[in-house]
Amino acid sequence: SQQGEEDPQALSIQEGENATMNCSYKTSINNLQWYRQNSGRGLVHLILIRSNEREKHSGRLRVTLDTSKKSSSLLITASRAADTASYFCATANAGGTSYGKLTFGQGTILTVHP
Amino acid sequence: EAQVTQNPRYLITVTGKKLTVTCSQNMNHEYMSWYRQDPGLGLRQIYYSMNVEVTDKGDVPEGYKVSRKEKRNFPLILESPSPNQTSLYFCASSFLGGPTEAFFGQGTRLTVV
Repeated sequence: SQQGEEDPQALSIQEGENATMNCSYKTSINNLQWYRQNSGRGLVHLILIRSNEREKHSGRLRVTLDTSKKSSSLLITASRAADTASYFCATANAGGTSYGKLTFGQGTILTVHP
Repeated sequence: EAQVTQNPRYLITVTGKKLTVTCSQNMNHEYMSWYRQDPGLGLRQIYYSMNVEVTDKGDVPEGYKVSRKEKRNFPLILESPSPNQTSLYFCASSFLGGPTEAFFGQGTRLTVV
């Protein structure tokens, strides 16, 4: 089952602009993670935010989490052509036998034009 | 270097011919899993393992088998592949016991004709 819904499905911007991607989910979570995938290659972890955190930064990345709305956003500031990739949110459920499992959204395809 | 290694990267096979995709990790992770990625469907978990000899079904297990005889290896077995198993497959591993990132292999693009 798909936990996350990502919005937009595709985003096209110019180099230097900011890119914002949103993710919504349905069930209680332990943490939410964002991954990046270059075309057809493996996913690379970007950032993890725990359910008791509201905002986290890593370099040009800023992630927010609103557990009351079951949503998260990923902001990439001052984007570069090299940021062109697909971005996925993934939720880790709160405990039980599903602990460790990540449930992915469908992803946002980001294109950054030079 | 910490990594998850999948082989092969590309595979074309015929319907019904058994195949195995290997996955190995060098990070001593307890948790390993297999995902398939299809356009418009994102990544869906096929099987997972929480430790040696402990495996369980994910969201889309039909037509697949796995085994976990050693901690580092988690092969995916398709005993009788069908065209609807044409997909991009990823192996992933992580620690258990706390919020932690997953490490992914480079993927195996499987085509069943």
